[in-house]
Amino acid sequence: AQSVSQHNHHVILSEAASLELGCNYSYGGTVNLFWYVQYPGQHLQLLLKYFSGDPLVKGIKGFEAEFIKSKFSFNLRKPSVQWSDTAEYFCAVNANQAGTALIFGKGTTLSVSS
Amino acid sequence: DVKVTQSSRYLVKRTGEKVFLECVQDMDHENMFWYRQDPGLGLRLIYFSYDVKMKEKGDIPEGYSVSREKKERFSLILESASTNQTSMYLCASRNSGSSYEQYFGPGTRLTVT
Repeated sequence: AQSVSQHNHHVILSEAASLELGCNYSYGGTVNLFWYVQYPGQHLQLLLKYFSGDPLVKGIKGFEAEFIKSKFSFNLRKPSVQWSDTAEYFCAVNANQAGTALIFGKGTTLSVSS
Repeated sequence: DVKVTQSSRYLVKRTGEKVFLECVQDMDHENMFWYRQDPGLGLRLIYFSYDVKMKEKGDIPEGYSVSREKKERFSLILESASTNQTSMYLCASRNSGSSYEQYFGPGTRLTVT
């Protein structure tokens, strides 16, 4: 069965600090990878996704993620965080086949102080 | 834009009541999903449906059932609500094309007392 592991439960940063959130998955086949974000009081929205091609993907709001197949990892990065990045971040994986659902990690809460 | 709507943002029910959570999407998506979101546990899949009248169990189907009579609507049913079903319930949909991106509704926060 697929699973997703997010290493950090809660990360606290000051504005302008760099961010890296870890995500590892377990599945041996072809996967699609996602990062979703949930701002306080809002619904889940897609931050970025990887299907194939360039393993470095760029998303909204200056976020990027790198797919490293050999490490089964898809870490999220941002060079300089802002107070408005305070949110919960979820990594998700989907086996590249029909009839499957996204499997989510447990989430990482990011708190950014101004 | 894809729109996924859920019938209620907040719901309070008593133990033993039958509860219906409704979800509607407007993009003609084949696939629809129900998750529950709990602090520290992330999102866990309850059920999903890949076509009308078709359903598949997710990771935590116990205590729940679903109904999909029309393509745009996917209902989650708690046959006899219990306090451990107090949670945030999220509905999602996606098409069956090459993109596996799921679109989420705003969620229903259910409290069972």
